[in-house]
Amino acid sequence: EPEVTQTPSHQVTQMGQEVILRCVPISNHLYFYWYRQILGQKVEFLVSFYNNEISEKSEIFDDQFSVERPDGSNFTLKIRSTKLEDSAMYFCASNRLNYGYTFGSGTRLTVV
Amino acid sequence: RKEVEQDPGPFNVPEGATVAFNCTYSNSASQSFFWYRQDCRKEPKLLMSVYSSGNEDGRFTAQLNRASQYISLLIRDSKLSDSATYLCVVDNTPLVFGKGTRLSVIA
Repeated sequence: EPEVTQTPSHQVTQMGQEVILRCVPISNHLYFYWYRQILGQKVEFLVSFYNNEISEKSEIFDDQFSVERPDGSNFTLKIRSTKLEDSAMYFCASNRLNYGYTFGSGTRLTVV
Repeated sequence: RKEVEQDPGPFNVPEGATVAFNCTYSNSASQSFFWYRQDCRKEPKLLMSVYSSGNEDGRFTAQLNRASQYISLLIRDSKLSDSATYLCVVDNTPLVFGKGTRLSVIA
């Protein structure tokens, strides 16, 4: 079964540092997403990406966040200057229109 | 963004029990509905889609009441392996998740 692959599985970073979370969506999927889940809380939408541009973003996705699809296969989430409250699981997902979403196994980001 | 509300749980049930989860959503324009399962510190995985006519997949039955904006999931003959958090999800493009209801099935 095709998978969405995320790396790294766990990242520890110091407050104020930049991090890049990487995702390889399923190859024939056209829509890509980042979600996050703070420990003990619900899964929250960050951003959706289609046709090489952001199609929608939430209020969480402020100027410290950016996404990119640099080479046609990877889909990255960059957090420019991490804060303690950015500590969470970050899930990448992809889908084709009218089909279910497939989530990656997530990156646990710990900001210290 | 409109909210999805679920029973807070946790539900602790013996093996073989039948358990039901409920969910309400606030966006009346929502078209697609799902139940996802999430194991501890893992990604959400699609359990089943929810249709107006109701649908069944083995021991799992999902129902949708559009008039009441209410979704349910029934698990029959629960197994130890059913222990997880069950997420009610509404596709408002993108997906909007409920906080989840934790289920523990006890031997």
